[in-house]
Amino acid sequence: DVKVTQSSRYLVKRTGEKVFLECVQDMDHENMFWYRQDPGLGLRLIYFSYDVKMKEKGDIPEGYSVSREKKERFSLILESASTNQTSMYLCASRSPFRGYTFGSGTRLTVV
Amino acid sequence: DQQVKQNSPSLSVQEGRISILNCDYTNSMFDYFLWYKKYPAEGPTFLISISSIKDKNEDGRFTVFLNKSAKHLSLHIVPSQPGDSAVYFCAASRTGNQFYFGTGTSLTVIP
Repeated sequence: DVKVTQSSRYLVKRTGEKVFLECVQDMDHENMFWYRQDPGLGLRLIYFSYDVKMKEKGDIPEGYSVSREKKERFSLILESASTNQTSMYLCASRSPFRGYTFGSGTRLTVV
Repeated sequence: DQQVKQNSPSLSVQEGRISILNCDYTNSMFDYFLWYKKYPAEGPTFLISISSIKDKNEDGRFTVFLNKSAKHLSLHIVPSQPGDSAVYFCAASRTGNQFYFGTGTSLTVIP
């Protein structure tokens, strides 16, 4: 089974800090995704990547950037964290016939 | 605009009875649909899928029905068990790469 690992389960950061959320998958998948989940809003796509060094904006990219230097690693960067970025962040890897395999999520609180 | 909608934020069902979760979509080009289950503080896990060439797919206690003309799909859980209590997301895709998610339905199965 594909494993998608997110480096932190819980994070607390201060407003204005630069925040890195790391995600690693172990099955050599090309497609990786970052979502955030908020109550009543479901899962919203922030950024995705089809290959190394390639990235595409999702539905809500503002305030975020990403990095894909190696195939297995897809990082989400909050350039200057704000309180409205407090959320559950979910990384996913594209699995054939099963849609996505998600990581366990990172609960980020910006204070 | 929300392309995938789950109009019931919550549902309560007695143990042993049927749970029916509904999902509507607006894009007639969607051809692959998934249901995910999510427990608190965990990432979503794949539950069941259906492609547009079918109108029904069954896996144990879980059955997904697709009505293309109505742009509607539903997930049936029979019999419902307390361990099924979770948030359920439906997702739809046109190419099989990027999926659009509904806002989720929180299912509570009452023992």
